[in-house]
Amino acid sequence: AQSVTQLDSHVSVSEGTPVLLRCNYSSSYSPSLFWYVQHPNKGLQLLLKYTSAATLVKGINGFEAEFKKSETSFHLTKPSAHMSDAAEYFCVVRAGFQKLVFGTGTRLLVSP
Amino acid sequence: EAGVAQSPRYKIIEKRQSVAFWCNPISGHATLYWYQQILGQGPKLLIQFQNNGVVDDSQLPKDRFSAERLKGVDSTLKIQPAKLEDSAVYLCASSLGSDGYTFGSGTRLTVV
Repeated sequence: AQSVTQLDSHVSVSEGTPVLLRCNYSSSYSPSLFWYVQHPNKGLQLLLKYTSAATLVKGINGFEAEFKKSETSFHLTKPSAHMSDAAEYFCVVRAGFQKLVFGTGTRLLVSP
Repeated sequence: EAGVAQSPRYKIIEKRQSVAFWCNPISGHATLYWYQQILGQGPKLLIQFQNNGVVDDSQLPKDRFSAERLKGVDSTLKIQPAKLEDSAVYLCASSLGSDGYTFGSGTRLTVV
């Protein structure tokens, strides 16, 4: 069965420093992977998706993620954090018939 | 393009009462999903419809939860009777094919 594991429940960074949110996946075949962001009291917004094309995927707001099959990882990065990046981030894998399976989430805290 | 509409935004009920949530997906999206997001956790799929047929309801607590999607458009999710552990945000999403998932803002249910 397809699943994802988010390795950190909380990540704290200072504004202007790099962001790294870690995600490992488990899949019996080439997966489709996504990162979603959820701001407080807001809906889920798609940041980026990997669907077996380029392994380095660029998303919105300066985020990107690299698919590494050898490490079964799909980590999310951003070169420089902004205060508005503070939110909950979910790594997601598509399983079965179009079903999305979510990780447990990583809360990103950004300090001035 | 209009998004996924959900109502109500908030609902507070006493345990053992019943409650219903409504979702109107993006026009033309054949697949509709209901997710349950308990505080501090990632969303969990409750039920998935393809047009007006159920594709996956393996995690739906069928003794108290029910859902329907008459005419393959909007959908309702009902809980009867509610338990304290049903307190969560209920998210509706729709998709066209295997990409392009769009989530609604959710209904926050508090059972007291």
